[in-house]
Amino acid sequence: GAVVSQHPSWVICKSGTSVKIECRSLDFQATTMFWYRQFPKQSLMLMATSNEGSKATYEQGVEKDKFLINHASLTLSTLTVTSAHPEDSSFYICSPLRRETQYFGPGTRLLVL
Amino acid sequence: SQQGEEDPQALSIQEGENATMNCSYKTSINNLQWYRQNSGRGLVHLILIRSNEREKHSGRLRVTLDTSKKSSSLLITASRAADTASYFCATDPKTGANNLFFGTGTRLTVIP
Repeated sequence: GAVVSQHPSWVICKSGTSVKIECRSLDFQATTMFWYRQFPKQSLMLMATSNEGSKATYEQGVEKDKFLINHASLTLSTLTVTSAHPEDSSFYICSPLRRETQYFGPGTRLLVL
Repeated sequence: SQQGEEDPQALSIQEGENATMNCSYKTSINNLQWYRQNSGRGLVHLILIRSNEREKHSGRLRVTLDTSKKSSSLLITASRAADTASYFCATDPKTGANNLFFGTGTRLTVIP
């Protein structure tokens, strides 16, 4: 159990475009979703925490208007990188919470040209 | 920042040797977890040790936890080339946020 999927796994886009990343918990419901970002050769850094049906809480230094999080259902959360720039190129990982245990998606690699 | 520190940042060993990675953290924790990440891939959960435990084993993995020093170590015995990956510790803090905080990671290379 506890299968998490992310789509797409890879995306390359032009600077200025918006990219939506989907995260699904396939066999459980998650009221809380964490979104992490990982730059090359660095650790995972928490970007934001979202609870189903309410607004996300963003970590310091993460622009809420740039990284839009929607957690409309207990099995789906989306992260939209708006007006992406090359410095947004990173590995984005979602992590739904199930009974106090965090599970991790396989990640989405974003490359902004 | 609650992020932990790991050392060494990089470790290169011969196949068959043991690999030891250390993690230090800053706050009181409920548990500490170790994860593995192959290059460009997702995280694989390896082992969880609770704050009231001092040592835990899983196959070729041995984890220790010293809450007085706020440190943990991961030992991989009889390493294999397939163990080549980055290894991260992650802490579940007792107070405040309910998310995991990740260490800086150790990049392990096992030479066949």
